[in-house]
Amino acid sequence: TQLLEQSPQFLSIQEGENLTVYCNSSSVFSSLQWYRQEPGEGPVLLVTVVTGGEVKKLKRLTFQFGDARKDSSLHITAAQPGDTGLYLCAGKKAAGNKLTFGGGTRVLVKP
Amino acid sequence: DTGVSQNPRHKITKRGQNVTFRCDPISEHNRLYWYRQTLGQGPEFLTYFQNEAQLEKSRLLSDRFSAERPKGSFSTLEIQRTEQGDSAMYLCASSSSGGYTGELFFGEGSRLTVL
Repeated sequence: TQLLEQSPQFLSIQEGENLTVYCNSSSVFSSLQWYRQEPGEGPVLLVTVVTGGEVKKLKRLTFQFGDARKDSSLHITAAQPGDTGLYLCAGKKAAGNKLTFGGGTRVLVKP
Repeated sequence: DTGVSQNPRHKITKRGQNVTFRCDPISEHNRLYWYRQTLGQGPEFLTYFQNEAQLEKSRLLSDRFSAERPKGSFSTLEIQRTEQGDSAMYLCASSSSGGYTGELFFGEGSRLTVL
């Protein structure tokens, strides 16, 4: 069982549609990051959230950290083919310095 | 500085051979991490260093795996007597320690295929 569960595992949508990816855990995290990874490349950081209930926006991407700091969501508005990739959430606990990653959500945006 | 650099990018080896991967972190970062990622999965933590000290190792890191960061700069990850199950992408990442909230900067990875 993974510490961070992402859903769905795979999402295929048409250009212009909206999508939401979820990241859930029974553990509390001091911070949570979202990364995007392209095939054959390393993950690239999109955002960090640290405060329960926090909402951050990055152009068409909206990230939310749950009030209890156990879960997070990523919402993409009017998805474009360039949004295609593997989206990974990762959490850091208060004790320790390592990040634990979820299993990832593969997003395919068709033109 | 061009970011985290890993080499080789691809390595194909026969079962039983030893392989070594190198990681050069962002120069001002004192923390260096190794992760392993198999196809369709998220990265799994292997180990991390702060300067030259190896502070944490995952149970995934069997006796055949060893990582070093002798001068607190670059790091190597060696896998001895490779097995087919070792086939994966090995990712290196670095970070600073000041005000650390978990952001990692990853290299492009070293893909290992064990035949």
